[in-house]
Amino acid sequence: EDQVTQSPEALRLQEGESSSLNCSYTVSGLRGLFWYRQDPGKGPEFLFTLYSAGEEKEKERLKATLTKKESFLHITAPKPEDSATYLCAVRGGGGNKLTFGTGTQLKVEL
Amino acid sequence: EAQVTQNPRYLITVTGKKLTVTCSQNMNHEYMSWYRQDPGLGLRQIYYSMNVEVTDKGDVPEGYKVSRKEKRNFPLILESPSPNQTSLYFCASSLSISTDTQYFGPGTRLTVL
Repeated sequence: EDQVTQSPEALRLQEGESSSLNCSYTVSGLRGLFWYRQDPGKGPEFLFTLYSAGEEKEKERLKATLTKKESFLHITAPKPEDSATYLCAVRGGGGNKLTFGTGTQLKVEL
Repeated sequence: EAQVTQNPRYLITVTGKKLTVTCSQNMNHEYMSWYRQDPGLGLRQIYYSMNVEVTDKGDVPEGYKVSRKEKRNFPLILESPSPNQTSLYFCASSLSISTDTQYFGPGTRLTVL
């Protein structure tokens, strides 16, 4: 059974204070690791997909990386508008479904 | 505007009263899916559909039904709701099962008394 664990559960940063969110996973035959952003009262918004170890993707202040056992979402010089819950999900080789982690709630303060 | 819509957005009902949550997408997507989101448990897939008339169970299908008679619509049916189905529900769609970008609807907050 595919499993996804995200840490920390919550993170409070000062504006400009860079940090990383972790997503550890176990899956048989990774067919994609996904990062989403979710704002309160809204549906998740797609950020990145990574397929193989060593792959990296960037978007503005966010950079996602992937190893064989975990993924990191690096946030460089965050701003208050980056405050959200960040979700990680995997699609394994055993089927077509996505397995989500419980998310990291990020708050960036002035 | 490309979007996934859900109705209703909020619903309070009583145990045993059948209800349907509608989901519609205007992007001609083949793949559609339903999730429920509960504190501490994350998003869990209920059912998904790879195309018209093709549906399959996700992780937590018990107590739910779906149908896919048209490409754009994927309603979620609770024939006899129970309090443990109180949750936040999301519909999602993507061009195909293997496409990166999955678009989520705004969510339906359901309370079963």
